[in-house]
Formats: sequence, structure tokens, C-alpha cells
Amino acid sequence: DIQMTQSPSTLSASVGDRVIITCRASQSISTWLAWYQQKPGKAPKLLISEASTLESGVPSRFSGSGSGTEFTLTISSLLPDDFATYFCQHYNNYPVTFGGGTKVDLK
Amino acid sequence: QVQLQESGPGLVRPSQTLSLTCTVSGVSISSGGYYWSWIRQHPGRGLEWIGYIHDSGSTHYNPSLKSRLTISQDTPNNQFSLKLISVIAADTAVYYCARGRSKVVTHFDYWGQGTQVAVSS
Repeated sequence: DIQMTQSPSTLSASVGDRVIITCRASQSISTWLAWYQQKPGKAPKLLISEASTLESGVPSRFSGSGSGTEFTLTISSLLPDDFATYFCQHYNNYPVTFGGGTKVDLK
Repeated sequence: QVQLQESGPGLVRPSQTLSLTCTVSGVSISSGGYYWSWIRQHPGRGLEWIGYIHDSGSTHYNPSLKSRLTISQDTPNNQFSLKLISVIAADTAVYYCARGRSKVVTHFDYWGQGTQVAVSS
């Protein structure tokens, strides 16, 4: 199975900060990577697919980049609604796997 | 609007069978080429893909669960189901149903709200 490693596991930030979350794959996955946002007690919400394609309705302050084994999710200017946990997921082959998550909390 | 809703027991005894159903509205599970999936989240931990059933009826399971797992569909009622036999404490998790996009290996654009399942005597 492809292992997905996210860093950091927790990120403390303030409103207005630029936030960068990293996801590394244990082998190349081209750009077959998705990012999700999850709030407590809720299902994950798809933000980005194919590493950099923003889903409809997702604010433009979110962006994704990377290919191969290294990927980043960037929030250009953190808003209060963005405090949540973020997961990456590869879909290069089965079984698809998820990263362990990055919790963005208030500094 | 696509919506998914899980249903099933919140408590299952060890060695028994876990059965969950996902009711889908807003789209037919028998068309569109989607991959109707189950995903679980262990307490305080990450997400684990369980398996899918395609609108054609074909299935694919996570090898870690394959020997215990069956996913089936009930197209007249627009539902799909998970059956996991011989459950153990490690099967305690929040179980989500989700729609995989029209690509064989896929990501998930619509999710149910999740249902908590505890395995305990």
C-alpha cells in the first residue's frame, strides 16, 4: 500500500496567516491526490482533486500543488471558518489511502 | 442535490456481523459510472477506505478486510450496503458512505454524515 504522510500533525495559526500543509507519498502518484477538510462531527469535504484542481464552491484562498511524491495545500489567508483538520488522499491505485491529518487550530 | 445517509446499529457484539445501509438521493446508484464506497474513521485517527460497488455491480475491497466484507446494492431502493462479519474491537469506528467519481481509482465528492459503530460486549 502507498503510505501518505502529512506534516505537521498540528498547526497553530492566527486569522490572516498563510498556512502550508505538506503531504508525502511513499511512491510516485503523479497528480492523483485529493485534499479534504473535516470539521468535528462532520464528514470530510472535498477541496481539491488532481493535486491542484479546486472544487466548485471552494474559496480561492485554498490552493494545491505538487506531483510525484510531494504535495502541498496552501491557505493564503486563514479565516475563522478554516480551523479544521485537513487530509490528503492518493488515488493512484487501490487501496486508496489517506494521510493522518493536519489539525489547524487557533494560536 | 446528491445526498447520502447511513443507517445501522450503533453497537455490535464481538464476533457478530455489522450491517450498514446507505440510502442515496438525488442520483441513481445504477447509472453515471460512480463508485459507491464505504470509508471508516477510527477514533481520533485517520480515514480507511473499505471498498466500493460500481453502478455495474462490480466490487473492490480493501485487502485488509476482504475476507470479512461484502458490499451489495439494492437498486430499486437506491441503496447500497456493507456487511462485515466476525467483528472485533478494532472495527469500532465512524462509518461513512461516499460517492467515488467516475474513475476506476477515485476520490470522493459526496459523503454521508457518518454513523458511529462500537464493537463491545
